[in-house]
Amino acid sequence: GNSVTQMEGPVTLSEEAFLTINCTYTATGYPSLFWYVQYPGEGLQLLLKATKADDKGSNKGFEATYRKETTSFHLEKGSVQVSDSAVYFCALSEMDSSYKLIFGSGTRLLVRP
Amino acid sequence: DTAVSQTPKYLVTQMGNDKSIKCEQNLGHDTMYWYKQDSKKFLKIMFSYNNKELIINETVPNRFSPKSPDKAHLNLHINSLELGDSAVYFCASSQGGLRSPLHFGNGTRLTVT
Repeated sequence: GNSVTQMEGPVTLSEEAFLTINCTYTATGYPSLFWYVQYPGEGLQLLLKATKADDKGSNKGFEATYRKETTSFHLEKGSVQVSDSAVYFCALSEMDSSYKLIFGSGTRLLVRP
Repeated sequence: DTAVSQTPKYLVTQMGNDKSIKCEQNLGHDTMYWYKQDSKKFLKIMFSYNNKELIINETVPNRFSPKSPDKAHLNLHINSLELGDSAVYFCASSQGGLRSPLHFGNGTRLTVT
């Protein structure tokens, strides 16, 4: 079945460091890919998305490129801030369902001042 | 102003009890969801309703019964609570399924003792 695999956390960085959170997926066809972010005590919020191969999603300095050849959608940010501390979820939408998101297990990011 | 609101925020109860979690969205969305997040932050879909019609019903025990009285509400009733039901339950909504981002509530932390 379809699945999403993320790197285990926590990822601990100093402010202004470069961030990469790895995400790979297994799916039939060409799913849409998403990154959601969960701040402490809150629900998830969409961070960015890409709907086809080679698309790059970007928002708030975060970027991720849909790589069909490596089935990956790694999240990157050039310079993290303390306020970026949160749990990041990679997700895909199944081709045969317009209503089902499959989430990865989440990666906690801690940014120290 | 809250877009997706869930009540209660915390729910502590004993095994065997029956409890309900309520969810309301004021975004005018036609699709609502229930997700379960376990202690390892893994997020899994339970149910999805589109225009009050059940369209996703994952392998969830029959003790869980969703009810959608109208498009703006999706409640979750749980009978005969078990220890393994302890988790954070998130309600979410979207317009046209996954054609638009999911908007999540802040979650209900259920603890079964």
